[in-house]
Amino acid sequence: QLQLQESGPGLVKPSETLSLTCTVSGGSISSSSYYWGWIRQPPGKGLEWIGSIYYSGTTYYNPSLKSRVTISVDTSKNHFSLKVTSVTAADTAVYYCARDGRYCSGTSCYMPGSYYGMDVWGQGTTVTVSS
Amino acid sequence: SYELTQPPSVSVSPGQTANITCSGDKLGDKYACWYQQKPGQSPVLVIYQDSMRPSGIPERFSGSNSGNTATLTISGTQAMDEADYYCQAWDSRTARVVFGGGTKLTVL
Repeated sequence: QLQLQESGPGLVKPSETLSLTCTVSGGSISSSSYYWGWIRQPPGKGLEWIGSIYYSGTTYYNPSLKSRVTISVDTSKNHFSLKVTSVTAADTAVYYCARDGRYCSGTSCYMPGSYYGMDVWGQGTTVTVSS
Repeated sequence: SYELTQPPSVSVSPGQTANITCSGDKLGDKYACWYQQKPGQSPVLVIYQDSMRPSGIPERFSGSNSGNTATLTISGTQAMDEADYYCQAWDSRTARVVFGGGTKLTVL
């Protein structure tokens, strides 16, 4: 059974870089059937998609965060990572990683979040931005 | 930017049917998903491709999507269904995954 586990510092200082890793167990990240995504949820608020990555390294970012976000994948370690630069208090949130089904018809593939949905989620990790 | 609008709250009596709506421009031209989130827990996918149920999701959960509105229907609502529900779709114009603001379902 596939499981995802987020890890990283729970406290980050303003203006610094937030770094998280999502480790995939019980399955391979190098599957053509999935994207791997990051989603966050500020305290008491709704879900916000940060971005997604395919195992080949192709990335998709939320335009509102794109200038500060980098998502990368390490297939040898079966994990993918998130970096958010220049953080502020507004970046305080629970950060989730999730598996997102990928469907292709011929040579055309649906984008993340557009076909199968995010069917496996990590437990989430709380990141607080504070000095 | 593309937005998905949900009612902040919906109330339903046990055993009755709950309908949670999600509105967006030409949403019916996209596939919609629905997630259930209970307090302190991670979201759970309950509907994908407008009306498909993942394995393990009870049959009382169903979905539809047409025009500008997607609807999550919970038939025979149980106390355990009390949770926040989020709709989600992909917006090709802005190239991003979009979530609705969420609806708190109260079973009383």
